[in-house]
Amino acid sequence: NAGVTQTPKFRVLKTGQSMTLLCAQDMNHEYMYWYRQDPGMGLRLIHYSVGEGTTAKGEVPDGYNVSRLKKQNFLLGLESAAPSQTSVYFCASSPIRATNEKLFFGSGTQLSVL
Amino acid sequence: GEDVEQSLFLSVREGDSSVINCTYTDSSSTYLYWYKQEPGAGLQLLTYIFSNMDMKQDQRLTVLLNKKDKHLSLRIADTQTGDSAIYFCAESPSGSARQLTFGSGTQLTVLP
Repeated sequence: NAGVTQTPKFRVLKTGQSMTLLCAQDMNHEYMYWYRQDPGMGLRLIHYSVGEGTTAKGEVPDGYNVSRLKKQNFLLGLESAAPSQTSVYFCASSPIRATNEKLFFGSGTQLSVL
Repeated sequence: GEDVEQSLFLSVREGDSSVINCTYTDSSSTYLYWYKQEPGAGLQLLTYIFSNMDMKQDQRLTVLLNKKDKHLSLRIADTQTGDSAIYFCAESPSGSARQLTFGSGTQLTVLP
């Protein structure tokens, strides 16, 4: 039972390069989320999706784009990477619940932008 | 905006109790959570408490909520080396992850 899988686990980019982070879940969850985790700070929501074909902005969406073409996949794109985007990125998913949503997290992607 | 604060580090001896503290500012917080992050892994939900509760116990874990002071604590009894991890406090007024605010995490180190 894989749960939430993120690829790649590590990546180093040069400023201005682009890349896509892939999140895949095998639990048939409706909701998916992308967070970033910076030292000394809690996780901050970048973008989220409440179903296939839908996306919405979170707390810190600037510089990122997302797509949810298939229910099981949620892609996070950086079109022109900046050093400020150096962070650990976590994907999470959850089943539909009206309240008390339970998140299932991937193991993270460490991204460094030089 | 909403803020959730935790101390950054805590060290305890194996077998002792650990108490991890959290304060929050949002008076409409209804759902309060504790997540655990082990090295190289994502966060896992440990436990949660509703704002109409004062205490919740789950095996070695006890969650205490002081709503008046907006203070949440997680007590781990008989702390083991496997409990070494980062513990995140989080709150949501609705229980929706879209409104979830995380603290910065407390690194718990269990010494033999």
